[in-house]
Amino acid sequence: NAGVTQTPKFQVLKTGQSMTLQCAQDMNHNSMYWYRQDPGMGLRLIYYSASEGTTDKGEVPNGYNVSRLNKREFSLRLESAAPSQTSVYFCASSTQGFTEAFFGQGTRLTVV
Amino acid sequence: AQTVTQSQPEMSVQEAETVTLSCTYDTSESDYYLFWYKQPPSRQMILVIRQEAYKQQNATENRFSVNFQKAAKSFSLKISDSQLGDAAMYFCAYRSDNAGGTSYGKLTFGQGTILTVHP
Repeated sequence: NAGVTQTPKFQVLKTGQSMTLQCAQDMNHNSMYWYRQDPGMGLRLIYYSASEGTTDKGEVPNGYNVSRLNKREFSLRLESAAPSQTSVYFCASSTQGFTEAFFGQGTRLTVV
Repeated sequence: AQTVTQSQPEMSVQEAETVTLSCTYDTSESDYYLFWYKQPPSRQMILVIRQEAYKQQNATENRFSVNFQKAAKSFSLKISDSQLGDAAMYFCAYRSDNAGGTSYGKLTFGQGTILTVHP
């Protein structure tokens, strides 16, 4: 049982480059989320998808776009990477009653 | 908007002893969930314990227990008989449980507390 799988685990980008972080869950959850983790700030919500076909902004959406490709997959795109986007990114999904969130292993992204 | 504050950036404990991590939150809602997550060096986020605000009884999970003070908006985590494997970053998190369901499980996290366990 894989749970929530994120790819890649590590990535280095140059300023201005673009990339997509992939996330897939095999638990049949409706809701999926993207968070970023920065030192001293905990995890902050970037975007979320309450159900297939819907996406909404979280606390820190600027510079990002998302796609809910189907019920399993939720991707995060950086169109033009900036050093301020250097962070650890987590994808998560929720049980039906939102009583628990399951997290992927995280992606450490460095923008130079 | 809800906020979660962890005022202890770092804590340390001797193996086999007890340590308490603090968390306070601010909300105007009456229905919500509170969580403690553990993040070891592997980066994996692991749910330690969950508390429903409508329950007066404090949640316990083996060596982990909470002291939930709803009026004071305080949610501390007590780790008893600390083990070397407990060393990690611990996050307190809040989730609204509004009747309309529009929170969609979004979590608000505190800043985290790094716990060191000394042998």
